[in-house]
Amino acid sequence: QVQLQESGPGLVKPSQTLSLTCTVSGGSISSGGYYWSWIRQHPGKGLELIGYIYYSGSTYYNPSLKSRVTISVDTSKNHFSLKLSSVTAADTAVYYCARCVNYDSSGYPFDYWGQGTLVTVSS
Amino acid sequence: DIQMTQSPSSLSASVGDRVTITCRASQSISRYLNWYQQKPGKAPKLLIAASSLQSGVPSRFSGSGFGTDFTVTISSLQPEDFATYYCQQSFSTPYTFGQGTKLEIK
Repeated sequence: QVQLQESGPGLVKPSQTLSLTCTVSGGSISSGGYYWSWIRQHPGKGLELIGYIYYSGSTYYNPSLKSRVTISVDTSKNHFSLKLSSVTAADTAVYYCARCVNYDSSGYPFDYWGQGTLVTVSS
Repeated sequence: DIQMTQSPSSLSASVGDRVTITCRASQSISRYLNWYQQKPGKAPKLLIAASSLQSGVPSRFSGSGFGTDFTVTISSLQPEDFATYYCQQSFSTPYTFGQGTKLEIK
């Protein structure tokens, strides 16, 4: 059973960089076939894809956040990370990591999710 | 970006009811539509991917649709089904979600 676990600071000051890591257990990021993703949910709101990374290091970023986002992967530690720069209060949200199935027959769903971590941007 | 619109935004129903939630895409997304269930304080859970019920999801859930119009149906509501449901398109990036449908107990 694949499990994902987010970790990182729950409070970030405005203009600073939000940094989160997602550790994967029960499966290897290097096995291929999946996009390792970050998704956020503003309080009481819907879900927004931030971006994702393949084990090879290729990335996709949502254009709405692209100028501020970096996603990286460390296959030796079986984890991937998110950095979001120049944060404001509008970046306060629950951040989820999730696995996206990279097979056309599957419909490319997000099949496993971390439990989520609330990041608050405040001075 | 492809806009996903769910209806209704909220719904009150009773245990045993048959319930249908609709999701409409702003352009054709073929069969690339997924459904999730989210309970308060929890991560979304994948229920249906491209009309295929995921392993372990009760058979009272079913999904259908193609192109721009999709539905998820719960044939007989159980107490554990009261939650918020989201649709999500995976036809083109950025993958986008509907705004959610909150299913409440009547």
